[in-house]
Amino acid sequence: AQSVTQPDIHITVSEGASLELRCNYSYGATPYLFWYVQSPGQGLQLLLKYFSGDTLVQGIKGFEAEFKRSQSSFNLRKPSVHWSDAAEYFCAVGATGGGNKLTFGTGTQLKVEL
Amino acid sequence: NAGVTQTPKFQVLKTGQSMTLQCAQDMNHNSMYWYRQDPGMGLRLIYYSASEGTTDKGEVPNGYNVSRLNKREFSLRLESAAPSQTSVYFCASRAAGTNTGELFFGEGSRLTVL
Repeated sequence: AQSVTQPDIHITVSEGASLELRCNYSYGATPYLFWYVQSPGQGLQLLLKYFSGDTLVQGIKGFEAEFKRSQSSFNLRKPSVHWSDAAEYFCAVGATGGGNKLTFGTGTQLKVEL
Repeated sequence: NAGVTQTPKFQVLKTGQSMTLQCAQDMNHNSMYWYRQDPGMGLRLIYYSASEGTTDKGEVPNGYNVSRLNKREFSLRLESAAPSQTSVYFCASRAAGTNTGELFFGEGSRLTVL
């Protein structure tokens, strides 16, 4: 069964600083990987996804993520954080069968200091 | 553009009471999902429906039942609510046959069981 680990529960960065959120996955085959963002009181919104091809994927709101098979990682990055980026971020891995289920990590809460 | 609509948004129950969470999507998606979100646990899959007429258990199905009423609607029922079912519940949908496709989420239903 697939699993996802987000080792950082909380991260605080200053506005304008760079950001990297870590995600490690466990899956036997080539994974389908996703990053979602959740603002307070809202549902989840897709930031970006990887399923094949270029290992560096671009998403919305200036985010990018890099798939590294050798490290089983899919870290999310942003060069310059804005105060509006404060939210909770979830990494997820998709199975290649069985109803298209996604398995989510436990999330990383991002706080942005002005 | 409604997307995924969940009702109710808030509910307080007493232990042993029953209730049904309703979910409807207007994107003609085949697959629908119910997740629960708890602090520090991320999102965990309760039940899913890969297509109309089928339902399957996810990671934490005990204490819940589901009905895929038609292609649009997927309800979650708590027959005898317990305090451990206090959580935020999210419904999501996805297009058919797309392991790489985006999950679209509702805004969540916050349930408290006293």
